[in-house]
Amino acid sequence: EPEVTQTPSHQVTQMGQEVILRCVPISNHLYFYWYRQILGQKVEFLVSFYNNEISEKSEIFDDQFSVERPDGSNFTLKIRSTKLEDSAMYFCASGTTANTEAFFGQGTRLTVV
Amino acid sequence: AQSVTQLDSHVSVSEGTPVLLRCNYSSSYSPSLFWYVQHPNKGLQLLLKYTSAATLVKGINGFEAEFKKSETSFHLTKPSAHMSDAAEYFCVVSGSGGYNKLIFGAGTRLAVHP
Repeated sequence: EPEVTQTPSHQVTQMGQEVILRCVPISNHLYFYWYRQILGQKVEFLVSFYNNEISEKSEIFDDQFSVERPDGSNFTLKIRSTKLEDSAMYFCASGTTANTEAFFGQGTRLTVV
Repeated sequence: AQSVTQLDSHVSVSEGTPVLLRCNYSSSYSPSLFWYVQHPNKGLQLLLKYTSAATLVKGINGFEAEFKKSETSFHLTKPSAHMSDAAEYFCVVSGSGGYNKLIFGAGTRLAVHP
């Protein structure tokens, strides 16, 4: 069964460093998303991506964040200068259309120290 | 704006007894609603979805949910709990503006006791 895969499963980084979280969406999906879940809090929407551009982003998704689909398969989230409060589980998701369910990856746990 | 309220942060049941996880939503238009489950150290798995077809929706692992517009509810039920059902459950509503921005509830942690 096709699935969304994320790497790494756990990333530890020092404050101020750049990190790239990687995702391989399901191959025939066209809509891609990043969500995050800070420990003990709700899952929050970060950004949606369609047709090689950001279609919507939340207030959380400020200038330190960027997304890219560098080739036909990968979808990445870059955090330029990490802060302690960026520590969270980051989920990638993909979907076939704008109004159907999203399929989520296993998540990357980012710990900023 | 869309929002979701999960009425119980923790629910504890005995194995073999019914499960009820409550969810109320707020939406300015006909929403799509979902339940996702998250087992420890696992990703988010779709249990079931409502997208304006039948109001009683059947999902995986024996779960079902009923969309009640008059009560703005989308409660998740299962007739008989199994130990493997212990997990965190999220009620989710699709946001406005397309592109499937999902708005999550705070989650309900289900514990199942022998």
